[in-house]
Amino acid sequence: AQTVTQSQPEMSVQEAETVTLSCTYDTSESNYYLFWYKQPPSRQMILVIRQEAYKQQNATENRFSVNFQKAAKSFSLKISDSQLGDTAMYFCAFMKLGSQGNLIFGKGTKLSVKP
Amino acid sequence: DTGVSQNPRHKITKRGQNVTFRCDPISEHNRLYWYRQTLGQGPEFLTYFQNEAQLEKSRLLSDRFSAERPKGSFSTLEIQRTEQGDSAMYLCASSLASLGTGYTFGSGTRLTVV
Repeated sequence: AQTVTQSQPEMSVQEAETVTLSCTYDTSESNYYLFWYKQPPSRQMILVIRQEAYKQQNATENRFSVNFQKAAKSFSLKISDSQLGDTAMYFCAFMKLGSQGNLIFGKGTKLSVKP
Repeated sequence: DTGVSQNPRHKITKRGQNVTFRCDPISEHNRLYWYRQTLGQGPEFLTYFQNEAQLEKSRLLSDRFSAERPKGSFSTLEIQRTEQGDSAMYLCASSLASLGTGYTFGSGTRLTVV
């Protein structure tokens, strides 16, 4: 069975600084997708960034980028120029190719951006 | 399109009562998922529909839980004889059939069983 581990329950960063959230996963699959989702307080979960395992190039979406290390089964999220609106729970998630789309989530990291 | 809509937003019920939640997915999405999220945890998969067919159910979904998606549009999740352990946020999400595109989540229904 696949598992996703986020080892940082809480993190904080100063506005405009850079922060990296860690995620490791365990799988015997070779084809899969990885995601980072953001869940602001009392608001719905939204997709931040996704990575296909077959792609070596790290995904980037504006201020958000990932460091995908397939051999190490590591998928960290870097947030540059942190903004107050980035304050949220961040969940790392795994999807096996052909799994009908069943996402497996980590426990999340609570990120606080301080002014 | 207003995204994925869930109703009610909050539900407080007494132990032993039945509750039903509704999810309206994005209209062109043929896949619909139900997840449960307890405090301090990530969402856990409950069940999944493709169109009107329920294709997968988690072992978390005891026989007190039932989900339907008549006509492949909205979905309902019913919990019978609620228990305090059922208190959680119930999340609905929808997606297109192409895998790996990620889901669109609703805002969830927070259930409190007293």
